[in-house]
Amino acid sequence: EDQVTQSPEALRLQEGESSSLNCSYTVSGLRGLFWYRQDPGKGPEFLFTLYSAGEEKEKERLKATLTKKESFLHITAPKPEDSATYLCAVRETGFQKLVFGTGTRLLVSP
Amino acid sequence: DAGVIQSPRHEVTEMGQEVTLRCKPISGHDYLFWYRQTMMRGLELLIYFNNNVPIDDSGMPEDRFSAKMPNASFSTLKIQPSEPRDSAVYFCAVGGRTGELFFGEGSRLTVL
Repeated sequence: EDQVTQSPEALRLQEGESSSLNCSYTVSGLRGLFWYRQDPGKGPEFLFTLYSAGEEKEKERLKATLTKKESFLHITAPKPEDSATYLCAVRETGFQKLVFGTGTRLLVSP
Repeated sequence: DAGVIQSPRHEVTEMGQEVTLRCKPISGHDYLFWYRQTMMRGLELLIYFNNNVPIDDSGMPEDRFSAKMPNASFSTLKIQPSEPRDSAVYFCAVGGRTGELFFGEGSRLTVL
């Protein structure tokens, strides 16, 4: 059974204080690892897809990386507007569905 | 890309009542998903459709839950009878072969 574990559950940063979120996964054959951002009262918003170990994707202050067992979402010099819950999900070979982790709640204080 | 319009946004009902949640995909996608989100269990897949055909309903909790997709522009998730443990946010999402999903704003259900 696919498993996705995210850590930490919650993270509080000062504005400008860089950090990383972790997503560990167990899947028979990875057909994509996905990062989403979710604001309170909203649906998850797609950020990145990573397909193979060593791949990296960047968007503004966010950079996602992938190894064979985990993915990291690096946040460089965060701003208060980066505060949200960040969700990680995996897609297994042969399946269309995404299995989600429980997320990391990020709070960036000014 | 909003992708999906869901209604109602909020629903408060009493135990035993029937609940119908609606989803209208805005743009053309091959796949439609229903997820449920709670604090304890996060996002859980209930069912998904491919070209209006149900493919995997293994996440549907029990017979009280049913989902239909009569055409490419409309899907419903029905709970009958509803129970307090069904209280959650229900999301509809659409996607294509690449796997990215685009979620609606969700329907927050409270069963008293």
